[in-house]
Amino acid sequence: EVQLVESGGGLVQPGGSLRLSCAASGFTLSSYAMTWVRQAPGKGLEWVSATSGSGSTTYVADSVKGRFTISRDNSKNTLYLQMNSLRAEDTAVYYCARVRMEVDSWGQGTLVTVSS
Amino acid sequence: QSALTQPASVSGSPGQSITISCTGSSSDVGTYNLVSWYQQYPGKVPKLLIYEASKRPSGVSNRFSGSKSGNTASLTISGLQAEDEAHYYCCSYSGTHTLHYIFGTGTKVTVL
Repeated sequence: EVQLVESGGGLVQPGGSLRLSCAASGFTLSSYAMTWVRQAPGKGLEWVSATSGSGSTTYVADSVKGRFTISRDNSKNTLYLQMNSLRAEDTAVYYCARVRMEVDSWGQGTLVTVSS
Repeated sequence: QSALTQPASVSGSPGQSITISCTGSSSDVGTYNLVSWYQQYPGKVPKLLIYEASKRPSGVSNRFSGSKSGNTASLTISGLQAEDEAHYYCCSYSGTHTLHYIFGTGTKVTVL
């Protein structure tokens, strides 16, 4: 069974940093692209960042470019999202998800709140 | 690229059929069959309903069907049930980057 478990969310002040982690199990992480999708309170889904199976190719949305970095350690079956210079508008539930030609598995999400 | 356009809300009575549209452009929905649909209940994780525009994963009810014509994809829910009341999102490969997908604005389905 595919399992994705996010951690690392919490309350952070504007300008601060957080690193999200996503522990994957039940499949071979290196065989799949992975993505971070976020959902602000009461809002829709936003594709934030993605990485190829090997990690050699990445995508970052314009809204977080220069501030967020996606990475992965396939030997540890873990996906990461380093978030710097956080803003109030980054407040959201962040989901880790597996990508085939579509997102076919989601984690439970971790809440990031940016507030003073 | 901005979000794909969906109606904010759609409603129907039990047993009826409803259709949710998802409009993109010739760069994304119009060119690629990589359109998927997700159902999300409040406070819950999105669930995959349709992939590659019209394919259903195992375990998803056959009351859900997908189609695509030109720049618009559609999700049809037939035999509407109370449990179908949820938010629905489409998603398409963007065509601009190998790892970039775009979500729709989301549609709230209300069962009257």
